[in-house]
Amino acid sequence: GAGVSQSPSNKVTEKGKDVELRCDPISGHTALYWYRQSLGQGLEFLIYFQGNSAPDKSGLPSDRFSAERTGGSVSTLTIQRTQQEDSAVYLCASSPQLAGVQYEQYFGPGTRLTVT
Amino acid sequence: EDKVVQSPLSLVVHEGDTVTLNCSYEVTNFRSLLWYKQEKKAPTFLFMLTSSGIEKKSGRLSSILDKKELFSILNITATQTGDSAVYLCAVIKAGKSTFGDGTTLTVKP
Repeated sequence: GAGVSQSPSNKVTEKGKDVELRCDPISGHTALYWYRQSLGQGLEFLIYFQGNSAPDKSGLPSDRFSAERTGGSVSTLTIQRTQQEDSAVYLCASSPQLAGVQYEQYFGPGTRLTVT
Repeated sequence: EDKVVQSPLSLVVHEGDTVTLNCSYEVTNFRSLLWYKQEKKAPTFLFMLTSSGIEKKSGRLSSILDKKELFSILNITATQTGDSAVYLCAVIKAGKSTFGDGTTLTVKP
């Protein structure tokens, strides 16, 4: 079946512009995660959605970052007034997490964001 | 603050060698520990460990968790050049994941 998809695959933007990154999770997966990975670094947790519950936004680095998930499916990560330090690969993952049981996360191919 | 530390940071071996990668964690309300292999962009899932002392095995890869000493190891036997990748460890609690910085494994022919 189809995996997690993300778009765009690459995005180059000028400092100060806003960007939107999209994630389409695997159909039926209730949990959705956003991570950021800078060059040579591990994954940095950004935000987690689980079903209709309020998202865990504890990883968002600043108020320039926001995310929403519409209809419990597609998610958009928005970065306002981009800065050069926002340059990274943004990875989305989904998981069929149910009733507190943890399943593995399936990752999308990521969006490489470059802020010039 | 939750912390996941992987060691070594990088490792270079020759084909046929056996390697052991380490992941130690300080996480409250631990739920499970996951290992991933990352070659290009997207990490791919290897193992999920929730119980202490039970080895999980997949071909030449195996992993075990020690919840008393708060660590896990990933073993790869008879390494091949295709095993070259970054290996990531993540600890899950209440849905939130904390990842280590990864171990970069290079397998030379």
